[in-house]
Amino acid sequence: QSALTQPASVSGSPGQSITISCTGTSSDVGGYNYVSWYQQYPGRAPKLMIYDVNNRPSGVSNRFSGSKSGNTASLTISGLQAEDEADYYCSSYTSISTVVFGGGTKLTVL
Amino acid sequence: QVQLQESGPGLVKPSQTLSLTCTVSGGSVSSGSSYWSWIRQPAGKGLQWIGRVSPAGYTNYNPSLRSRVTISLDTSKNQFSLKLSSVTAADTAVYYCARHLAATHTFDSWGQGTLVSVSS
Repeated sequence: QSALTQPASVSGSPGQSITISCTGTSSDVGGYNYVSWYQQYPGRAPKLMIYDVNNRPSGVSNRFSGSKSGNTASLTISGLQAEDEADYYCSSYTSISTVVFGGGTKLTVL
Repeated sequence: QVQLQESGPGLVKPSQTLSLTCTVSGGSVSSGSSYWSWIRQPAGKGLQWIGRVSPAGYTNYNPSLRSRVTISLDTSKNQFSLKLSSVTAADTAVYYCARHLAATHTFDSWGQGTLVSVSS
């Protein structure tokens, strides 16, 4: 299984909105609404931010939102804050009952 | 709140078998709503799902690692384990254990991670 495709890096200024894309195939992202997004700070374990494409776990800011169109899912962060600077990974369930991650996107808050 | 903790050797020799254990507290590995997964991350690189085990002991593995991986459950100790055989330097990574929610295929709780280096 191939990793999902994410941009290596994105950046934005405080207060702005950014979107990170996650492109797969009809066998993963396009075939199921089981797309999740994780935030990871250096040296730390990932933290779940979005599940089932557009659902937020309790405690996650509503500045984080998710969506999907066809084989591409997206994570949008609005009202960008310095603390949002981190690596972000998408994941998806697949047609062979496995899970595949994206390559990760480094978000820089300018 | 479920907590997970990885344990095992931090150094493994090439061609040998990497063995890690994840101890779960605050929840049961026998819970029907959860699978239990292993995920790894080489330094400076992305996450790679290794595989999962269900409460009944059924497993699914990443196809790229399937021939070398075994994940098993020990309900008496509330633990699950990873064995990766014939390791090479490419298997050097931080290894995470995580709770894998069956309904959403989401990893909602993670261990802190443990670095395993493969070197002679």
